[in-house]
Amino acid sequence: AQRVTQPEKLLSVFKGAPVELKCNYSYSGSPELFWYVQYSRQRLQLLLRHISRESIKGFTADLNKGETSFHLKKPFAQEEDSAMYYCAPGEEAGGTSYGKLTFGQGTILTVHP
Amino acid sequence: SQTIHQWPATLVQPVGSPLSLECTVEGTSNPNLYWYRQAAGRGLQLLFYSVGIGQISSEVPQNLSASRPQDRQFILSSKKLLLSDSGFYLCAWSWVVGNTIYFGEGSWLTVV
Repeated sequence: AQRVTQPEKLLSVFKGAPVELKCNYSYSGSPELFWYVQYSRQRLQLLLRHISRESIKGFTADLNKGETSFHLKKPFAQEEDSAMYYCAPGEEAGGTSYGKLTFGQGTILTVHP
Repeated sequence: SQTIHQWPATLVQPVGSPLSLECTVEGTSNPNLYWYRQAAGRGLQLLFYSVGIGQISSEVPQNLSASRPQDRQFILSSKKLLLSDSGFYLCAWSWVVGNTIYFGEGSWLTVV
């Protein structure tokens, strides 16, 4: 069964400090990995996906297949990064469960001034 | 552009009463549609998944049901609510091909 673990429910850092939101997954096959974010009073939305290998709002995430991890990192946190972050693996294209993501419990990130 | 709306935004219902949450998508055709729930202290749990009109997959056994009477309309229902049905319900859609999911505003349900 697909499973994703975000060990930290709450994470607090000061502005300018590095931040890492952890995500470990257990997934059959080769999943696609996503990070979704929900800012205060906004909808849950896609932040980034590992196949794009892109940096969004200064965040990056590296897929480590050996450790089955997909940690989200940012070298210098900003106050506007405060939000709820969800890690979500999903089946890659062609799979029978393609399009159905498994979400973690989420991590609430608070960046203090 | 595509938009998704769900309503009502908040709902307080007594135990044993019926439920109907509605969701519509505009600007696309034949989307995949989803209902997720976030209960207190838990992550987002996929409840139902639909790839077309009248095609509903239930992901977890529960007190709820879903229907898709039209291509871009997705309804979450219950005949008799339980206290454990309380939570935050999210409707979402995706392209037929693609894992990026677009969420609605969400509906807070409190069963009292």
